Amino acid sequence: QTQLVQSGPEVKKPGTSVKVSCKASGFTFISSTIQWVRQARGQRLEWIGWIVVGSGDTTYAQRFQERVTITRDMSTSTAYMDLSSLRSEDTAVYYCAADHDDRKFDPWGQGTLVTVSS
Amino acid sequence: SYELTQPPSVSVSLGQMARITCSGEALPKKYAYWFQQKPGQFPVQVIYKDSERPSGIPERFSGSSSGTIVTLTISGVQAEDEADYYCLSADGSGSYWVFGGGTRLTVL
Repeated sequence: QTQLVQSGPEVKKPGTSVKVSCKASGFTFISSTIQWVRQARGQRLEWIGWIVVGSGDTTYAQRFQERVTITRDMSTSTAYMDLSSLRSEDTAVYYCAADHDDRKFDPWGQGTLVTVSS
Repeated sequence: SYELTQPPSVSVSLGQMARITCSGEALPKKYAYWFQQKPGQFPVQVIYKDSERPSGIPERFSGSSSGTIVTLTISGVQAEDEADYYCLSADGSGSYWVFGGGTRLTVL
């Protein structure tokens, strides 16, 4: 079945960076788009950006433009989200989701908790 | 920046009908998607392209669109439907995605 499996929880200090991975299976990775979304505790879902896997083209939400980089490795069917200059407000669960065939944002990864604390 | 507006909460009695709305200027031109999220779980898509239901989602979930408002309807609400529901759509350019603020559905 279609599946996204993310890397484990991270604890980071303010000012550092975090890289979260998202490994895809069950669909044609090269033909997909991978989306990244985050959710702080008790807050709404917030879209971060996407990568078109085949071309590598990326689009980022304006508020993350300066700090986020989304990449992919087609040899391992894995996408990555790198967020730099971390601050406490970046503490959240980070999700990846896939666009494939005629579907958007389905499936989702299980989420990765990133905690930013000094 | 583009926004999607949802009511913060909706309450409905067991077995009754629940309607959750989502409004946005670009909705006449862009599809909406609905997600159910239970505590501690990742979101699950319950409606895509305004009104399509993914396989495995109960028939009591339906979606509709009228102008700048899309609506998620749950007919015959069950206790297990108690959750947060989010709408999702793209802005007018189609390049940027936006989630609504979420609606907490409470089953009485």
